[in-house]
Amino acid sequence: AQTVTQSQPEMSVQEAETVTLSCTYDTSENNYYLFWYKQPPSRQMILVIRQEAYKQQNATENRFSVNFQKAAKSFSLKISDSQLGDTAMYFCAFMKAQGGSEKLVFGKGTKLTVNP
Amino acid sequence: NAGVTQTPKFQVLKTGQSMTLQCAQDMNHEYMSWYRQDPGMGLRLIHYSVGAGITDQGEVPNGYNVSRSTTEDFPLRLLSAAPSQTSVYFCATSQGPAKTYEQYFGPGTRLTVT
Repeated sequence: AQTVTQSQPEMSVQEAETVTLSCTYDTSENNYYLFWYKQPPSRQMILVIRQEAYKQQNATENRFSVNFQKAAKSFSLKISDSQLGDTAMYFCAFMKAQGGSEKLVFGKGTKLTVNP
Repeated sequence: NAGVTQTPKFQVLKTGQSMTLQCAQDMNHEYMSWYRQDPGMGLRLIHYSVGAGITDQGEVPNGYNVSRSTTEDFPLRLLSAAPSQTSVYFCATSQGPAKTYEQYFGPGTRLTVT
C-alpha cells in the first residue's frame, strides 16, 4: 500500500517570501502521479500542481513549483512571492497510473499561514 | 455548468439514523469517488465508481453504502449513523484513465452525529 507523509503540520511565512512544503511517499510502483492540493478556509479542494513520475522535469505553475526526486521518493512544493491568499491547508497526494481506479492517497496536510 | 454539487452542505444526525449524501456532476465524467476528511487525518477514500453500475471499496468503507445507476449521480448512504462518522465528506470526479487524472472536488458536506 502507498503512504504519503507530510512532516510539517504547520508553517508560516512572511508575505512576498518563499516557502517550501515537504512531502515524502512510499510505493513500489514505477508509474504514478503526484499532486499538491490547496484547501482554503472555504473548504474547497483546489489542485495546485501535478507531476507525472515518468517526467524528469519538475512541474511549474506560476509561483508554484515542485522538486521531484524520484529515487528519494520526495515531492516538495515551493511557493514563491507568497501572498495572503496562499494561506490554506496543503495536501500532498499520490495516485497509481495503472489500474484505472484513480484512487488518491493523501498526506495529513500542512497548514500554511502567510503573514502580512 | 455546475461542476460537482453536493447536498446537503450541513447535516446533524442522531446515532442510529440513516441518511443519504447526494453527489451530482454535469461533466460527463466516468469516475466518481467519496472521501472523508477528519482533523489531522487528511482525506481518506470511502468508495469509488469507475462507471455506471460499477462500484468498489476504498480504504474506509465500513458503515457506508453506494450505488451508481447513472453517470451523473453517486449517492453515499449511511445505514446506521455512529459518532465515528462525524466528518466532512467530499465527492470527487475525474475523466478516467489516459486523461488528465485531475480530480474535481465538490464543496463538501459537514456531518455531525450526536
